[in-house]
Amino acid sequence: QSVLTQPPSASGTPGQRVTISCSGSSSNIGSNYVYWYQQLPGTAPKLLIYRNNQRPSGVPDRFSGSKSGTSASLAISGLRSEDEADYYCAAWDDSLRGVFGGGTKLTVL
Amino acid sequence: QVTLKESGPVLVKPTETLTLTCTVSGFSLSNARMGVSWIRQPPGKALEWLAHIFSNDEKSYSTSLKSRLTISKDTSKSQVVLTMTNMDPVDTATYYCAREGSSWLYFDYWGQGTLVTVSS
Repeated sequence: QSVLTQPPSASGTPGQRVTISCSGSSSNIGSNYVYWYQQLPGTAPKLLIYRNNQRPSGVPDRFSGSKSGTSASLAISGLRSEDEADYYCAAWDDSLRGVFGGGTKLTVL
Repeated sequence: QVTLKESGPVLVKPTETLTLTCTVSGFSLSNARMGVSWIRQPPGKALEWLAHIFSNDEKSYSTSLKSRLTISKDTSKSQVVLTMTNMDPVDTATYYCAREGSSWLYFDYWGQGTLVTVSS
């Protein structure tokens, strides 16, 4: 049972917009930054979103992050087949330290 | 360019102590506000943050594993070492080290990971 709650799966067709939620509490998302990581099969995770809604250089603007209260979301617009991957949210927890969500497997239909 | 590489045993026995080394290049462990975290991922499961150490020797550990973990660094060797005591089969996982900077959990570079199996 992860401290940050994500839906186990999500799906969409090419070109669609999909969102992945991440629910936490006042001790993590509510008071600290949220990060999103993309993990393609068999590879190490890659930083997708930092500090709630910032994109590292090289990450397409199709990816966006938001945060409200104790929840956060990752949105992917113009869905592409190469977006099929596992997505993880992460946040610092004031008691537990670093915590990840359980991950969401995104399928592009 | 920045690289990180994990090394250590691929197989450990239950109750043994695991020692993993992360060798970094392309940056210095003495760079201001630069650190290295260890993260693991059991087969088919989610990521789990374990510990981090920063250039000023600031350290933090996962609360649930704190009693079993020790993280240290050797700046001259560009290495960060993680030890985990009393290994159990549930600790079987791919262990990653990642560069952490700018803010906690900002992992901009990752190692390829090393699979550690715990079995007798």
